[in-house]
Amino acid sequence: GQQLNQSPQSMFIQEGEDVSMNCTSSSIFNTWLWYKQDPGEGPVLLIALYKAGELTSNGRLTAQFGITRKDSFLNISASIPSDVGIYFCAGYGGGGTSYGKLTFGQGTILTVHP
Amino acid sequence: EAQVTQNPRYLITVTGKKLTVTCSQNMNHEYMSWYRQDPGLGLRQIYYSMNVEVTDKGDVPEGYKVSRKEKRNFPLILESPSPNQTSLYFCASSFRALGGTEAFFGQGTRLTVV
Repeated sequence: GQQLNQSPQSMFIQEGEDVSMNCTSSSIFNTWLWYKQDPGEGPVLLIALYKAGELTSNGRLTAQFGITRKDSFLNISASIPSDVGIYFCAGYGGGGTSYGKLTFGQGTILTVHP
Repeated sequence: EAQVTQNPRYLITVTGKKLTVTCSQNMNHEYMSWYRQDPGLGLRQIYYSMNVEVTDKGDVPEGYKVSRKEKRNFPLILESPSPNQTSLYFCASSFRALGGTEAFFGQGTRLTVV
């Protein structure tokens, strides 16, 4: 099946620093999604990307849909302690045998030191 | 309040004893799906449903069954659980699958099979 490689696996940063993480795929996706998971909770959608090349912001978060449709990145600017959590990328294949399938990356564990 | 409700939150069972994890959503969403989350592997899709009576396999369907007799409910059935099905399970729903519209996740069910 489709696979997503997300990196880095974990990050330890100081409050105020910027963060960048990315996902690459062996196949094309029609939609890229970025989620955050807090301890003991289900993932919550942060940003959705629907077109190749699209750059979208949500507060301090910015994500881009790569022009090859095989990658995406998420940036967090001026990190704060409540940014701590696990960040996941996810992609929808959108067509053919991948219709309806949502594939997740392995996650990036973010720790922010005050 | 719009939500996805899973039950139970925690379950310890023995190998071979059939169990069902329930999932219900109150948003009239067409699309529902089940995931398992394991350390280092992210979330992997087990089954999904595009609408009532329409279900399909995700990436890791072996050992699981689902049904979608009503729009709001999407139970996950383990006919003969085994220890390798010990995991954290999430149910999610969204208005539709096409375009990756926002998926709402339940709180999760932590299953231990001994």
